Amino acid sequence: EDKVVQSPLSLVVHEGDTVTLNCSYEVTNFRSLLWYKQEKKAPTFLFMLTSSGIEKKSGRLSSILDKKELFSILNITATQTGDSAIYLCAVEARKLEGGKLIFGQGTELSVKP
Amino acid sequence: GAVVSQHPSRVICKSGTSVKIECRSLDFQATTMFWYRQFPKKSLMLMATSNEGSKATYEQGVEKDKFLINHASLTLSTLTVTSAHPEDSSFYICSASGLAGVSYNEQFFGPGTRLTVL
Repeated sequence: EDKVVQSPLSLVVHEGDTVTLNCSYEVTNFRSLLWYKQEKKAPTFLFMLTSSGIEKKSGRLSSILDKKELFSILNITATQTGDSAIYLCAVEARKLEGGKLIFGQGTELSVKP
Repeated sequence: GAVVSQHPSRVICKSGTSVKIECRSLDFQATTMFWYRQFPKKSLMLMATSNEGSKATYEQGVEKDKFLINHASLTLSTLTVTSAHPEDSSFYICSASGLAGVSYNEQFFGPGTRLTVL
């Protein structure tokens, strides 16, 4: 059965800290891995990763994929209170139709002032 | 970027009533729409995938007769929770994709609908 596992499930840090969120997966016919940020409402897209070892970066956020070890990390440097959210990892498997995504449980990040 | 809206954003209803939630793609044609359910502090669980003009494909464990999905046009899909019960209370999120078939095309998420069944 395809599955996506995120860790930790929750994390509390102080402003300025650096955090690393983990996502491991077991899927057949992997196509891509995506990271989303969810605040009070619907998820907003952060990154889409398809190739190993190529870091994607957007401001203080960066992410990388390891297709050999089947995991991805999301790094946030110099955290701010506005980074507090649930971070979701999702995987698209090639065998699934219509671009279905399998989501992990999410990591709830809380950044304290 | 592509915008997806949901209506209503929040609904409270009595047990036994039916509730309809609309999902609209405002500036693109959504050949495929997805309906997710999210419990507090939990991840998104895919309920069903709907392609315009055809029957929805439901995930295992999701009751077709309870969660009716209609995708009548390229910009609108509806989810009707029939005979709602308190255990149906949840956050329902739709997403829309512009490409049907087997390839991923970015899914644009709606803002979600918070359903509370009393």
